[in-house]
Amino acid sequence: NAGVTQTPKFQVLKTGQSMTLQCAQDMNHNSMYWYRQDPGMGLRLIYYSASEGTTDKGEVPNGYNVSRLNKREFSLRLESAAPSQTSVYFCASSDHWWREGRNEQFFGPGTRLTVL
Amino acid sequence: DQQVKQNSPSLSVQEGRISILNCDYTNSMFDYFLWYKKYPAEGPTFLISISSIKDKNEDGRFTVFLNKSAKHLSLHIVPSQPGDSAVYFCAASRFIQGAQKLVFGQGTRLTINP
Repeated sequence: NAGVTQTPKFQVLKTGQSMTLQCAQDMNHNSMYWYRQDPGMGLRLIYYSASEGTTDKGEVPNGYNVSRLNKREFSLRLESAAPSQTSVYFCASSDHWWREGRNEQFFGPGTRLTVL
Repeated sequence: DQQVKQNSPSLSVQEGRISILNCDYTNSMFDYFLWYKKYPAEGPTFLISISSIKDKNEDGRFTVFLNKSAKHLSLHIVPSQPGDSAVYFCAASRFIQGAQKLVFGQGTRLTINP
């Protein structure tokens, strides 16, 4: 049971290049999320998918697109990378049904992206 | 406008003593509050949460207190252990259209000294 996996772990891009960050979960969760974390800041929500077939914008969606490929996989695409998108990207998933006291999101290990 | 704030970037505590991490929020619509722990080069891991209708939740060495009138919550770790050294994030949750939207604070780096 791997939980949430992300690929790649590290990536360096040049300004204007495109790439897709991959995320998969094996916990049969309905909801999946993409966050970015910048130095001195908490995680900020980029996009989320409440269930297979739906996606919605979060707090900082500009410059990104997402695809919920199936229940397991949720990808994040940068069409034309900019230096401001240098960050650590985390994918997370959660169960649709909450249990009192344990209603957490489960996070992947992150992708460290540098845009030159 | 930062809805969730952790005003202490760092905290240093002696092993065996109590660690108290603080968090303030501005939006009364949050329905749950969560604490996450993060080690370098890893994703955040869940520690403990509390419903907005409660004022205390305890899980082993970890206790979270919620003061709704002050819009303030705190995480107590007793006794503190060296393995507790990490960055701690407070997060506030709203359940919207089937998804749990989290708003995170900036984090507090906790160092436990032997």
